[in-house]
Amino acid sequence: GENVEQHPSTLSVQEGDSAVIKCTYSDSASNYFPWYKQELGKGPQLIIDIRSNVGEKKDQRIAVTLNKTAKHFSLHITETQPEDSAVYFCAAAYSGGGADGLTFGKGTHLIIQP
Amino acid sequence: DAGITQSPRYKITETGRQVTLMCHQTWSHSYMFWYRQDLGHGLRLIYYSAAADITDKGEVPDGYVVSRSKTENFPLTLESATRSQTSVYFCASNLGTSGPETQYFGPGTRLLVL
Repeated sequence: GENVEQHPSTLSVQEGDSAVIKCTYSDSASNYFPWYKQELGKGPQLIIDIRSNVGEKKDQRIAVTLNKTAKHFSLHITETQPEDSAVYFCAAAYSGGGADGLTFGKGTHLIIQP
Repeated sequence: DAGITQSPRYKITETGRQVTLMCHQTWSHSYMFWYRQDLGHGLRLIYYSAAADITDKGEVPDGYVVSRSKTENFPLTLESATRSQTSVYFCASNLGTSGPETQYFGPGTRLLVL
């Protein structure tokens, strides 16, 4: 089955700086890569996703890049703000004609220092 | 717009007891999922369902039973709870059309097995 590795487990950055979280996956058939943000006491919320036919996607201060050859994908947050503090999860799935469960990385605790 | 709800939000039970966690979605999504979240393991898929009366095992199904008699409900039962099942449980759903899909998560149920 799929295996997703996520690094780092904790990331502390100064407010206004950029943050980068990296993930690798093992199954070359995976074609869907979402990123979720989880605030304390809440369920994960999708913040951005990318499909395997796209190399990069951007939404305001958030961007995701995908390197299918290397099986890497990364989340980039620019101009970080205090409300960006949360746990971030990457995930991978193969979905062709249906939907399967996501395989998640173990999460990154992002801390924005004022 | 209720979305996806879970009940109860918190539950304390004893070893050996049967516990049922409820999940309800109002979007008429075809696919529903159960995950458990544990420190050091991230989110792991327990079971998923492609439609009413269709269920399949995920990564960690042992000790759990699911059913799906109605599209909107997907209860998860621990037939004889064990301490290792202490966790936070999340239900999710997606539309289930062809191609990759966004999964939407409920708020979670915190379960403590004594």
